[in-house]
Amino acid sequence: GENVGLHLPTLSVQEGDNSIINCAYSNSASDYFIWYKQESGKGPQFIIDIRSNMDKRQGQRVTVLLNKTVKHLSLQIAATQPGDSAVYFCADVNQAGTALIFGKGTTLSVSS
Amino acid sequence: EAQVTQNPRYLITVTGKKLTVTCSQNMNHEYMSWYRQDPGLGLRQIYYSMNVEVTDKGDVPEGYKVSRKEKRNFPLILESPSPNQTSLYFCASSLSGLNSPLHFGNGTRLTVT
Repeated sequence: GENVGLHLPTLSVQEGDNSIINCAYSNSASDYFIWYKQESGKGPQFIIDIRSNMDKRQGQRVTVLLNKTVKHLSLQIAATQPGDSAVYFCADVNQAGTALIFGKGTTLSVSS
Repeated sequence: EAQVTQNPRYLITVTGKKLTVTCSQNMNHEYMSWYRQDPGLGLRQIYYSMNVEVTDKGDVPEGYKVSRKEKRNFPLILESPSPNQTSLYFCASSLSGLNSPLHFGNGTRLTVT
């Protein structure tokens, strides 16, 4: 079925470390994936997306990796900063193409 | 500034009293959607609209109505709110369907007593 999940509900890192947040999806037909960041009191904020014809995409301090063989998605944040503390969600598009299906989120805590 | 604006941010009401949460986007986006976010259940889609005058049910539409008379506005209507509709609501829009990123508003926290 359509299910996007995250491996760990929480991740704690030190400032300056690299962070890796993982996500597994079940819909092998998914062709568009998005990572969102949600800070307390705010709506989900778009970070980066990737389409199924790519394995890797880089943004500013963030990289998304897609492994279609094992249906796995990861978000890497380089030189993590306290401002990166938030809940991170992966999402893909349902089979009908009408809704994003969100994972339940990983809470990233960055200590200085 | 490009944004999705929801109002109000916070709302406390009583069971059965009709309410409307407004949503407006200034990006000329075709697609708009409403989600609710609940602990342990994540974000779930209530209704969506692919374009003006076109609306469809999402995963949890019961107890809600929407309208899309203009491209920029997509209000969420609760005709007779019940306590199980206490939640955090988000409106979102994208340029054209879900082939481009969905942009979210900052949410409306609704409490129904």
